[in-house]
Parts: sequence; structure tokens; C-alpha cells
Amino acid sequence: DTEVTQTPKHLVMGMTNKKSLKCEQHMGHRAMYWYKQKAKKPPELMFVYSYEKLSINESVPSRFSPECPNSSLLNLHLHALQPEDSALYLCASSSRTGTGSPLHFGNGTRLTVT
Amino acid sequence: DAKTTQPPSMDCAEGRAANLPCNHSTISGNEYVYWYRQIHSQGPQYIIHGLKNNETNEMASLIITEDRKSSTLILPHATLRDTAVYYCIVRSDRGSTLGRLYFGRGTQLTVWP
Repeated sequence: DTEVTQTPKHLVMGMTNKKSLKCEQHMGHRAMYWYKQKAKKPPELMFVYSYEKLSINESVPSRFSPECPNSSLLNLHLHALQPEDSALYLCASSSRTGTGSPLHFGNGTRLTVT
Repeated sequence: DAKTTQPPSMDCAEGRAANLPCNHSTISGNEYVYWYRQIHSQGPQYIIHGLKNNETNEMASLIITEDRKSSTLILPHATLRDTAVYYCIVRSDRGSTLGRLYFGRGTQLTVWP
């Protein structure tokens, strides 16, 4: 079990659909992250939020739209995805963005785009 | 960010110590060494991190060489449940890298009964 909860665990969507991934933590952490992981590859950073503000966007296509409604919640809105976007999407949080603060990960949402 | 080099795979007998090496020869003075592991179909799990001194917690020990160019993660009594990909990561706070945690390819540790 992790302290970062991601829903849904699995998602299948068509290329014309709009869907959202949700992430929640109640550890009082003020930094939250989205990572993408393709099969047999390491996780790749997508976005970083610090104190509910977007601080890092790793040149992610606009069909991925992050949102941080409050300090406990992080969403990733998906629209017009491609089959190559199929991956495990991981959310993480840390007390702050500094080097001494470990990231705690959820178990991810496995996304399949058909 | 400083890069890390890890062996792609290692084996260990159950009950024995697993020693996972990592080279980070370009590490800077303010960069931490982090270790995570990922069991199949789960999110990465934080294990331990350190700056200069050796560290120990309930999961593992981290030994960092005096010049900080390499480190070793030690699982003192490996079990079958320790089979996972282990990632050694050097994390920087410099400028545009603030907040970023970059994963390398990691080491696949297989614990045998």
C-alpha cells in the first residue's frame, strides 16, 4: 500500500475521448509530480507542481493537461491521445521540491489508447 | 545532472546480502544519492538517500565512498520479495533542475531461493 492514491488503476480510451487521471495524498506534501513509464523503460518526468503552481513542464504535448486544484489533489486531463501514449502514468509527492525530500509514488494508472 | 552507471542485472541467493553498486563520478557537492526500487506493475518505492555519510534504515544501508564518486546499496538479508529493478539516482537542486528526479536504467536484482 502507498500513501499516494491513484485512480483509476486501469483505463482504456479511444483517440477521440476525454478522460482524467486522479492522484491524492494526505501527507501534507506541497510538491506533486506526474511521470510516464513505457514498458521496460525507466519513469520519465512530465510535470512538477510546487505549492499548487506548475513549476516544471518537460515539453509535454498539450494533449496532456495537468491541474492541481488543491494541495492534496493532482489531476491529469487527457484529450486526443495517440496509441503511443499508452503507458503507466505515475503520480508522486514530496514535502517540498528540494534534494533532501524523497518522492513517494503511487502505483500508477495503466493507460491503453485504442 | 550527474549521471549514474549501474550493472543491468545481478543475482543473489535468498538470505544473503545483496550489494548493489552505483558509479556517479561527476557528482557535485550539493547532490544527494537516492535509491528507489520498482517491483513489477507497482510504482517506484523509496529506499534510502544520503549526501556524504553512510546511512541505514529498516530497509537497507547506503555506503558512499569518501570521494562520493560511487555508492553501494546493501540489502542485508535478501528475500524473494526484494526481486525488483533498483534505481540509483543523483538529485540536484541547481537552477532549472530544481525538483527534478531523473531515473536511469537501473539494476534488475533477482533473488533466488
